Order: sequence, then C-alpha cells, then structure tokens
Amino acid sequence: QKEVEQDPGPLSVPEGAIVSLNCTYSNSAFQYFMWYRQYSRKGPELLMYTYSSGNKEDGRFTAQVDKSSKYISLFIRDSQPSDSATYLCAMRDTGGFKTIFGAGTRLFVKA
Amino acid sequence: SAVISQKPSRDICQRGTSLTIQCQVDSQVTMMFWYRQQPGQSLTLIATANQGSEATYESGFVIDKFPISRPNLTFSTLTVSNMSPEDSSIYLCSAPQVAGGPETQYFGPGTRLLVL
Repeated sequence: QKEVEQDPGPLSVPEGAIVSLNCTYSNSAFQYFMWYRQYSRKGPELLMYTYSSGNKEDGRFTAQVDKSSKYISLFIRDSQPSDSATYLCAMRDTGGFKTIFGAGTRLFVKA
Repeated sequence: SAVISQKPSRDICQRGTSLTIQCQVDSQVTMMFWYRQQPGQSLTLIATANQGSEATYESGFVIDKFPISRPNLTFSTLTVSNMSPEDSSIYLCSAPQVAGGPETQYFGPGTRLLVL
C-alpha cells in the first residue's frame, strides 16, 4: 500500500464548476499537508499549505484536512480554463523535510 | 519564495553517457533536494544535499549512479551516470522556504532527459 493515494484522473469539468480533488494517506504521523499545481512542462508550484487538521481558504481554493479519516481535499470554486493542470497532494511529518507526494490528478477545465 | 533555476532545461543523450544537471537558488539554503518524476508517476526523492557533507540517498538510489555536489549554499549539481533509457525522466531540484512562510519546498522548472 502506498503511503499516499491519489486518483490520477483525468478529471474534466466545465468552466465555473466546483472541483474536488482528494488524497488518502496511511501514516498518522503526517502533520503538514500541501497541494501543488504543476502546469505542463513546468515544476510544481505550492498552492496551499495546512498544518494539522482543519480548513484553509485562499481565494477560490479551499484545503481541508481530516486526520481522523486520513483524508485531505482541495476544492476549487468557479473553475477556470487556466486551472487546467496536474494537482499533487503532498505531506510530511514534523521530523524533517522528507515529503511524500501523491501521483497527481490531471484536471481539465473546458471553456 | 525562493527562485530556483535549472540547467539544462532538456537534453537528449546517448546510452552510456553522463549528464550533469545544475541547480541554482537565489538565496542561501541549508538543504537542497533532488527528485525524479517519471511520466504519470509521483515525485520520487533521489537524495538530500547538505552543504559541507555527503548527500543522503534514498532507498534505490546510489552515489555511483547519481553523484551530487553541493559546493556552497546556493548551488548543487546532480549527475546521471552511465545512462540507460530507463533514466529518461524529469529531474527536479527543490529547496525549503528560506524566510517566513510555511515550512515547505519550492521547485525548479525541471530538466527533461531523454536517453536513446
């Protein structure tokens, strides 16, 4: 079993839709949870960051962490074609910088 | 956030040769990380490069195959040695956030390697 599971998609939605991206994990020691966005032929860029449980909102993006279920989510409201990218979840514990990444979900937002 | 650049951005190499990838960070960082990203797969950590000490390699990666240099706090190189087609991948360097902000990593644009 992988430490982090993420559905690779692809996920195709119409412009304006609400997008839900999810990851599950097995290591209860994870405390830091990140979402990265990776455009084609680019490196990953940090999108959202959450420590421990709870919600965090930034503009159209909301990150949720449910540690009891070992489940994290990223919601994108009013999705735009420019949101078309691969979204990678990532997480680590407090013991250092070793970060475990999900496989990434490819998202296509159709105009 | 730190600005990270990599050279070359892409290369096509012959089997059996070696390629050195350079990574430059615009500010001083203690740790730098090298990742491999194969098509449709997650990022896999190759090694952690600390200035002034030997790199720490993850399981499945060895120094003879992926020698790393870290001559100062803003620069690192990764060499892919004796390449085979299985080494075709995207290689990414990464560094932690330098000042303020969350304790997480920022990435360079990647080096796209094709081995024939």
